[in-house]
Amino acid sequence: DTGVSQNPRHKITKRGQNVTFRCDPISEHNRLYWYRQTLGQGPEFLTYFQNEAQLEKSRLLSDRFSAERPKGSFSTLEIQRTEQGDSAMYLCASSSVDRGSKNEQFFGPGTRLTVL
Amino acid sequence: RKEVEQDPGPFNVPEGATVAFNCTYSNSASQSFFWYRQDCRKEPKLLMSVYSSGNEDGRFTAQLNRASQYISLLIRDSKLSDSATYLCALTRGSTLGRLYFGRGTQLTVWP
Repeated sequence: DTGVSQNPRHKITKRGQNVTFRCDPISEHNRLYWYRQTLGQGPEFLTYFQNEAQLEKSRLLSDRFSAERPKGSFSTLEIQRTEQGDSAMYLCASSSVDRGSKNEQFFGPGTRLTVL
Repeated sequence: RKEVEQDPGPFNVPEGATVAFNCTYSNSASQSFFWYRQDCRKEPKLLMSVYSSGNEDGRFTAQLNRASQYISLLIRDSKLSDSATYLCALTRGSTLGRLYFGRGTQLTVWP
């Protein structure tokens, strides 16, 4: 399977714990995105990388959230001191952006986080 | 005002029907437009990009109206397997970065 992969698929944690999610993009894609989706809503943007550079962060990304893409391949999203409001599906997407590209983004299966 | 507005539905149609969804956007600098399909508790899957002249892929037709700032998706000859949530999305500006999504329109096709 050469699509976007995410691990773990499900995570249940207690409030106040730290969690880390991993995303492996499609191999030739230079951009990697993180989104968050709650029930009945469309995905909301969190942050994105082009290669290893983090180019944009949403206001939604509080100081408890941090994302890295150290070698321009896989990425991790860490949430510190989780809160119940962090419960959501965390989606990763990747794309290849070059001249004339429309930036079509392809999503992984997501990590469903439940904070108790 | 939200960046992207969609009627959440639900739309309930019989097999074989034609159904259309609209999605309006507020920023005239919006650059690229897409329709995604999302099944329950699954990830969004890219259905089609929307081109300025309109485009068709089998039973699906997408159109863009920049003057009125909306995109549309038409599904002809609906199948039971078309039941899903349809999300419109767009990017803004020359960097073509983040996607802005609507909240999705739920479609149920019944036999």
